[in-house]
Amino acid sequence: QSVLTQPPSASGTPGQRVTISCSGSNSNIGSNAVSWYYQLPGTAPKLLIYNNGQRPSGVPDRVSGSKSGASASLDISGLQSEDEADYYCAAWDDSLNAVVLGGGTKLTVL
Amino acid sequence: QLQLQESGPGLVKPSETLSLTCNVSGGSVSTTTHYWGWVRQPPGKGLEWIGHIFYLGRPTTNPSLKGRIIISVDTSTNRFSLKMKSMTAADTAVYYCVRLLGVAAFDYWGQGTLVTVSS
Repeated sequence: QSVLTQPPSASGTPGQRVTISCSGSNSNIGSNAVSWYYQLPGTAPKLLIYNNGQRPSGVPDRVSGSKSGASASLDISGLQSEDEADYYCAAWDDSLNAVVLGGGTKLTVL
Repeated sequence: QLQLQESGPGLVKPSETLSLTCNVSGGSVSTTTHYWGWVRQPPGKGLEWIGHIFYLGRPTTNPSLKGRIIISVDTSTNRFSLKMKSMTAADTAVYYCVRLLGVAAFDYWGQGTLVTVSS
């Protein structure tokens, strides 16, 4: 059971906008920065978003992140076939003294 | 370009200690702006943070791993290491070494190494 809650799956058609949610609590998302990761099968995860909404260089601006209270969201607009992957959210938890992660969301591009 | 590369045994027997090393190239483990850490992923499952360390400080480790973890940095070889005691089948996973851009923000990853715990 993951501390951060993500939907197990999400889907969209090419060109659409998709939002993946990440729900936590005051001790993690509510008081700390959220990061998002993207992982293709058999490969290492890649950082997509850090500090709630900042993109590392090389991540396209059609990918964005936001946070409100104890929840965070990852938005992907202009969906492309290469966006089909697993997505994870992460944050520090002040109560657990640990980095906590969501269980992952499998995004399917129909 | 920073590169991380894990090395260690692919097979560990139950109750033994796992030792993994991450070789850092294209950058220095002695940086004052980044931490270094470990993340693992059991086959078919999600990611789990193991711990991280600043080269001058004490490591921060996942409390759920109950004191089984030792993370260290070797500035002379530009490497950092993970030791995990009392391995069980539940520890079978791909182990990644990572650089931290910020807490919970892992911006560079090694390719990962599969560690299987089996007799």
